[in-house]
Amino acid sequence: EAEVAQSPRYKITEKSQAVAFWCDPISGHATLYWYRQILGQGPELLVQFQDESVVDDSQLPKDRFSAERLKGVDSTLKIQPAELGDSAMYLCASSPGPEYEQFFGPGTRLTVL
Amino acid sequence: GENVEQHPSTLSVQEGDSAVIKCTYSDSASNYFPWYKQELGKGPQLIIDIRSNVGEKKDQRIAVTLNKTAKHFSLHITETQPEDSAVYFCAASTGANSKLTFGKGITLSVRP
Repeated sequence: EAEVAQSPRYKITEKSQAVAFWCDPISGHATLYWYRQILGQGPELLVQFQDESVVDDSQLPKDRFSAERLKGVDSTLKIQPAELGDSAMYLCASSPGPEYEQFFGPGTRLTVL
Repeated sequence: GENVEQHPSTLSVQEGDSAVIKCTYSDSASNYFPWYKQELGKGPQLIIDIRSNVGEKKDQRIAVTLNKTAKHFSLHITETQPEDSAVYFCAASTGANSKLTFGKGITLSVRP
């Protein structure tokens, strides 16, 4: 069964450092999402791509976060510089299109010290 | 924007009993309501979803009901098993660009 792949699974970094997360969606899925999930909370959307274009990044802290999906397939989310409050699970999801069910990857657990 | 609330925040049931988890939403334009199960250290897994043109949907031991007038929807799990123990999230979307708004989750514990 096809799955969304994410790496790394765990990342520990010190504040002010740069971190990057990678996501490979299910093959053929045009829509890709990055969510942040704080412990004990539900996921919150950071950015949504349709192919290589950003559809919604209204909740992305653009002073430190950036996301790209250059060829409309895999995607990278970057944080620079990381802050203590960025400690969370970063989840990637994909769907065939914007009105279809979303499938989540296993996430990257980020700890900022 | 949309606000989704789940209640209760924790639920404990005896194996074999039924469990019901309720969610309310605020945006009457929402038309898609998925339920996700998240096990420790894993990403959320879609278990069932419903669109606003139907009132109920079943898949084996799992069912979801939707009351558009009251703006709430519920997850029903029958014949619960220990492996049903997890955190369950409800979500809502208006369909436009499919942005999902999630509830805070409920921790279901099934006692053997």
